[in-house]
Amino acid sequence: DGGITQSPKYLFRKEGQNVTLSCEQNLNHDAMYWYRQDPGQGLRLIYYSQIVNDFQKGDIAEGYSVSREKKESFPLTVTSAQKNPTAFYLCASSPLRGTDTQYFGPGTRLTVL
Amino acid sequence: AQSVTQPDIHITVSEGASLELRCNYSYGATPYLFWYVQSPGQGLQLLLKYFSGDTLVQGIKGFEAEFKRSQSSFNLRKPSVHWSDAAEYFCAVGAIRSGGSYIPTFGRGTSLIVHP
Repeated sequence: DGGITQSPKYLFRKEGQNVTLSCEQNLNHDAMYWYRQDPGQGLRLIYYSQIVNDFQKGDIAEGYSVSREKKESFPLTVTSAQKNPTAFYLCASSPLRGTDTQYFGPGTRLTVL
Repeated sequence: AQSVTQPDIHITVSEGASLELRCNYSYGATPYLFWYVQSPGQGLQLLLKYFSGDTLVQGIKGFEAEFKRSQSSFNLRKPSVHWSDAAEYFCAVGAIRSGGSYIPTFGRGTSLIVHP
């Protein structure tokens, strides 16, 4: 089955530690995205990538980093510089044809202890 | 800059009743509009989208939405709600970013509660 997988589903981190969230897709989509979701705030774009080895900052990139070494993979690192990292993180992908729909993964809930 | 307003944080309806979820957008050009649904702890699923053409759009699960340019609205409707429709609903407007992709800007969501 084609789709997007995110792992782990739940992640706990101590303050001051970096942590990496995984996102893999087998839909052969060119574009991939990371969103952060907080209660009552909708989804906010962190980073996106439209091609391998290239990515752009979204609206709330501070304290996050990404890489896109393979078409199918777009890991997100939450660094210790992120002031309030506890949130639900969603990865998405889409074909790169302008208006094509985004497909979402099941999400990772990150809790900083 | 583009924005989306979903004025209702929560909506409560009885099973079998009709539903309308409101969405207003702000965008300087012709908008690309989406409605997504999210079950608790899950990702988002596309219900329907509007890019051009007929302003009444049919989606999955019996949902429809109507684009009204004069009112900058894209309200979601369903004639008869089922208990399984209880979820969070997000309206989004696609805005062009560098590279030419339309990346959605999301509203804050409306939580739908369905009473038996």
